[in-house]
Amino acid sequence: AQSVTQLGSHVSVSEGALVLLRCNYSSSVPPYLFWYVQYPNQGLQLLLKYTSAATLVKGINGFEAEFKKSETSFHLTKPSAHMSDAAEYFCAVSVGSYNTDKLIFGTGTRLQVFP
Amino acid sequence: DAGITQSPRHKVTETGTPVTLRCHQTENHRYMYWYRQDPGHGLRLIHYSYGVKDTDKGEVSDGYSVSRSKTEDFLLTLESATSSQTSVYFCAIKQGTGTAGANVLTFGAGSRLTVL
Repeated sequence: AQSVTQLGSHVSVSEGALVLLRCNYSSSVPPYLFWYVQYPNQGLQLLLKYTSAATLVKGINGFEAEFKKSETSFHLTKPSAHMSDAAEYFCAVSVGSYNTDKLIFGTGTRLQVFP
Repeated sequence: DAGITQSPRHKVTETGTPVTLRCHQTENHRYMYWYRQDPGHGLRLIHYSYGVKDTDKGEVSDGYSVSRSKTEDFLLTLESATSSQTSVYFCAIKQGTGTAGANVLTFGAGSRLTVL
């Protein structure tokens, strides 16, 4: 079954430091992968998605993720953290086909940014 | 803006009582989903719908039922609420008509349910 695993439930970085949030997927077929962000007391917003067009995917707010088939990974990065990046981040994989299409989420990583 | 409204946004109820959460969309999207969010578990799919009267179970469907009698409304019902169903519930719709799996989910603001 297709699934995603997020390594690290909490990540802390200093403002201006590199952000790296890890996601590994399990899939027997080429996956569609997503990163979502959730700010406090809000719903989830799409950061970026991988749909096999390009292995390096750029998203909003300076985030990007690279699909690495050999490592079954889709890690999220940002070169320089900002205080406003503090949020919870979810990796997700799309499973199923036409009528059964749905997203399965990882358990989330909470990012803290210190001044 | 996908025009998703969840109601109620907050509800406190007692064990054993029935509860219905409503998700309303204004843009005629075919696919709608109900997730629950709990610390340490992320979001888990409860039920989803791929059309009027067409629904299916997700990962954690026990204790929940859904109905979709018209395109714009997707109802989630807890027939007899239990404390383990205390959670934040999110409705989502799938936008786009492209390749299955490549479309994006847009989420509502959530409904916080507390079962005492």
